[in-house]
Amino acid sequence: ETGVTQTPRHLVMGMTNKKSLKCEQHLGHNAMYWYKQSAKKPLELMFVYSLEERVENNSVPSRFSPECPNSSHLFLHLHTLQPEDSALYLCASSTTFGPGYGYTFGSGTRLTVV
Amino acid sequence: GQQVMQIPQYQHVQEGEDFTTYCNSSTTLSNIQWYKQRPGGHPVFLIQLVKSGEVKKQKRLTFQFGEAKKNSSLHITATQTTDVGTYFCAGPHDYKLSFGAGTTVTVRA
Repeated sequence: ETGVTQTPRHLVMGMTNKKSLKCEQHLGHNAMYWYKQSAKKPLELMFVYSLEERVENNSVPSRFSPECPNSSHLFLHLHTLQPEDSALYLCASSTTFGPGYGYTFGSGTRLTVV
Repeated sequence: GQQVMQIPQYQHVQEGEDFTTYCNSSTTLSNIQWYKQRPGGHPVFLIQLVKSGEVKKQKRLTFQFGEAKKNSSLHITATQTTDVGTYFCAGPHDYKLSFGAGTTVTVRA
């Protein structure tokens, strides 16, 4: 257990479905992140939240919609996804926003879009 | 685009041998971080280097930050099967952490 819990671990969804990924951190961290990890590609930063405010949106398509209701929880809402969106989606947290702190990653959600 | 470059992309190592993986940046970094991701797992923070020329050791792993703070290396001695995985370096870019593509290590018993 890393202190960052992601659910579900695996998700298969059709292109017309709506689903949500959940992340919860028990570390008292103030910053949370969504990353996408595709085969043979570097980790791609999608969204950053610092103290519940979105501070980064890396040109992510609108079919991905993040939500951060409090500093411990982060959601990624998915709708009308494409097969190329199939990937491992990783949530991470750090003490505060910025590159000077190590990130704690969750175990990820393996998403397959059919 | 990718801000830190890692070489090699793949490293096949005989059990018991040593190897080194490298991380290079075109710009000076305030710090460099290293992560390990086991097959089927998630990235796990290993270490952060901050000072020019800094060297840190974790058992058989030796991490070094270059004098110019533009490159870093990870050296593993006496490789074991538990060292299998992908090793990522990460450095700051635009106040965010930019990850390299990783070095994927396989071990021949």
